[in-house]
Amino acid sequence: GQNIDQPTEMTATEGAIVQINCTYQTSGFNGLFWYQQHAGEAPTFLSYNVLDGLEEKGRFSSFLSRSKGYSYLLLKELQMKDSASYLCAEMDSNYQLIWGAGTKLIIKP
Amino acid sequence: DVKVTQSSRYLVKRTGEKVFLECVQDMDHENMFWYRQDPGLGLRLIYFSYDVKMKEKGDIPEGYSVSREKKERFSLILESASTNQTSMYLCASSLQADSSYEQYFGPGTRLTVT
Repeated sequence: GQNIDQPTEMTATEGAIVQINCTYQTSGFNGLFWYQQHAGEAPTFLSYNVLDGLEEKGRFSSFLSRSKGYSYLLLKELQMKDSASYLCAEMDSNYQLIWGAGTKLIIKP
Repeated sequence: DVKVTQSSRYLVKRTGEKVFLECVQDMDHENMFWYRQDPGLGLRLIYFSYDVKMKEKGDIPEGYSVSREKKERFSLILESASTNQTSMYLCASSLQADSSYEQYFGPGTRLTVT
């Protein structure tokens, strides 16, 4: 099977920058998704990368290196509302998503 | 905006009961999915459907079945609920199977089996 690894929990300060890493196995790759999930709520889509490089979308950016099986989500100018879990998911050769366990991000004032 | 709704936010059932979880999407999406989410684990796919009356097993189909009689509705059935099926159940839909289409999730049903 395929494994998605991401840190369990991270803490950052309001106004700062945080990078959440995700590694995956590279066989049968069809793209990498990031989702945000606030406690008790549904996951919501943040980004999709299929080519190498950085994609910027406002305060959030997502990076992909296919050769390294590595992605990160970069959150700038952190706000308290960014406290949430961030889920990394790889789309495999069958177009099914393989999900990481999520990274719980705690923002402190 | 895409809307995915689930029939209940919270549900408590007894061991051995038959349980129906309903999911409806209003954006004419082809694909629908049922996941369960447990602490410390990623979302795990139970079943999915690419078309009406079509279903495919996901990673953990044992103890579950599904029904898709209409394009907008995808039901998850627990034939005989067990305590290890206590979990958060999330329904999702997406436009097509192509990789670039994100999944839209419903609010989830937290099921407790006692």
